[in-house]
Amino acid sequence: QLLESGGGLVKPGGSLRLSCEASGINFASYSMYWVRQAPGQGLEYISSFSAVSGLIQYADSVKGRFTISRDNAKNSVFLQMNNLRVEDTAVYYCASRYGSGWLDSWGQGTVVTVSS
Amino acid sequence: EIVLTQSPATLSLSPGDRATLSCRASQGVANYIAWYQHRPGQAPRLLIYDASKRATGVPARFSGSGSGTDFSLTISSLEPEDFAIYYCQQRSTWLFGPGTKVEI
Repeated sequence: QLLESGGGLVKPGGSLRLSCEASGINFASYSMYWVRQAPGQGLEYISSFSAVSGLIQYADSVKGRFTISRDNAKNSVFLQMNNLRVEDTAVYYCASRYGSGWLDSWGQGTVVTVSS
Repeated sequence: EIVLTQSPATLSLSPGDRATLSCRASQGVANYIAWYQHRPGQAPRLLIYDASKRATGVPARFSGSGSGTDFSLTISSLEPEDFAIYYCQQRSTWLFGPGTKVEI
């Protein structure tokens, strides 16, 4: 139901835009999230975009560098990542929240590698 | 900021064993805790939400309990596919705990 794309190799200081396309759901009703997992580390909440309130939130680690957006007509959520750092290297997952009030559907992830 | 701690970091068990995982919040979170299972190379999966409610399709061997600051996830009898990392998450700032690895 959720398919991420846009990952790749980028140099420190560079930019990347991740996309996540949803299918089979009434996308406009779903709050969308980005979560990442760095190598050997646990899950880290990155950002979210509430469907109802339009509230946008970011983790402190990415605030000011990453921007979340969504296009309901395209059933998609995006993560614009600027000024990337080596420590942003991770698998980036998008996830949706609706019925349970929690992240009840996840994509398979896209890999972002920041290295010179 | 509400911080979650999980214990133990690693749980070494055998198929058929009972597993009990702990999650503790630095402040009270009422029952706003969820548990996720994450197998290597796969997408995370919601298991338990609102501390004790099983998500759709989750087997009955998984159960959650707790409120306030102390929560637990119990797997009554481990199946081979249950060996994974388990994370708790709070709903205030959506932060995850560090995870508990359940290994054979």
